[in-house]
Order: sequence, then C-alpha cells, then structure tokens
Amino acid sequence: SQELEQSPQSLIVQEGKNLTINCTSSKTLYGLYWYKQKYGEGLIFLMMLQKGGEEKSHEKITAKLDEKKQQSSLHITASQPSHAGIYLCGADDWTGGFKTIFGAGTRLFVKA
Amino acid sequence: DVKVTQSSRYLVKRTGEKVFLECVQDMDHENMFWYRQDPGLGLRLIYFSYDVKMKEKGDIPEGYSVSREKKERFSLILESASTNQTSMYLCASSTVSENTEAFFGQGTRLTVV
Repeated sequence: SQELEQSPQSLIVQEGKNLTINCTSSKTLYGLYWYKQKYGEGLIFLMMLQKGGEEKSHEKITAKLDEKKQQSSLHITASQPSHAGIYLCGADDWTGGFKTIFGAGTRLFVKA
Repeated sequence: DVKVTQSSRYLVKRTGEKVFLECVQDMDHENMFWYRQDPGLGLRLIYFSYDVKMKEKGDIPEGYSVSREKKERFSLILESASTNQTSMYLCASSTVSENTEAFFGQGTRLTVV
C-alpha cells in the first residue's frame, strides 16, 4: 500500500522566517492534499494538487507537486504565530477501496 | 457552512466499557471515515463507509466496529475499551468523486483508564 513520509517531524522557527515541509510518497500521487490542524482539533483543508509541476498558493502558504508526482513541498513565507500547528499531507489511495491516507505530520512552532 | 460534528470533544472511559463515538455530517456525503491520531504515527484509518449499511476495514480495525444506519451518521464502537485505545479520534466525510477533499470533525479525545 502507499505510504507518505513527512519531514521534518517537528520544526521551530522564529517569526518572520521562511520554512519548508516535505511530503514524499512511495507511489505516484494522483491527488495530494495539505491540511492544517490546530492542536487538539480537527483538520482544515489547505490545498489540493493533482498535476505534475503544479503549484498553488493561499496567502503566505505555497504548495508544489514535483514533475514525477512523488513529492510535495509546503512553503510558508514570513511565518507568523498563526501558522503554528500540525501540517499533514494526505493522498488518495485506491488499495482496498478509495480512501485518503496521511503522513505522520509536521509539528510547527513559531516563536514570537 | 459544511459541517462534520462529533458528539464529544473529550471522553474518559473505564477499561472494558463499551464506547460509542458518534459522527454526523450535513453535506449528504456518501463517504465517511474514522481515523485515530497518535503522536508520531499520524492519522491511521480504522474503518470507512461508502454508503448506508456498508463498511470497509481500514488499516487498524482490530478492537473496533462501526455502524452506518443512516447516510449522515457514522458511529465508531469500541466493544471493550482498552488503555491502548486512548487516542484522538477523527471523523471525516467526502463525496464519491475523486480528488475532492475530506471534511473533518473537531475530534474526540478519548482516555481509557
């Protein structure tokens, strides 16, 4: 079955700094999702990528899917305390029925 | 505003108790999912359902069962709660179309003592 690996597991950045979170798949990605989770709460959808080379932005967050469709990165520019939380990548997986699988998450701390 | 609602934010149950976690969505979604989330392990799929009265095992179904009697409601049942089922449980729903995001509830933090 497909697996998603996220790195780093945890990240502490100073407010105003840029950062990147990576998500790597063991198989070709046909639908890659980025979610954000505030501590102890549900997941909030950020973006979805489908095509190789695709890039999407929402406010100061940019997500890219590489040409081979096996790796995605999430880049935050000029981080703010409001960016703190857990970022999870998810992917469509057809093994044993259509569902979404997730990476282990990256816990982001932003120091004011 | 789309909504997935889980019945409890926090639950504390005793070992051996039967526990029901309820999830309701108001988007007429066909698909519903139950995940558990543990530090370092991310979200792991327990069970999912494509339609009323249908259920499929996810990656970690042992010790759990589910019920989907109505389209909007998907219940997760811990037949005999154990301490290793202490976790954050997240319910999600989505349409049957590919490449559409899932919508998540706010989560239920279950502690089994």
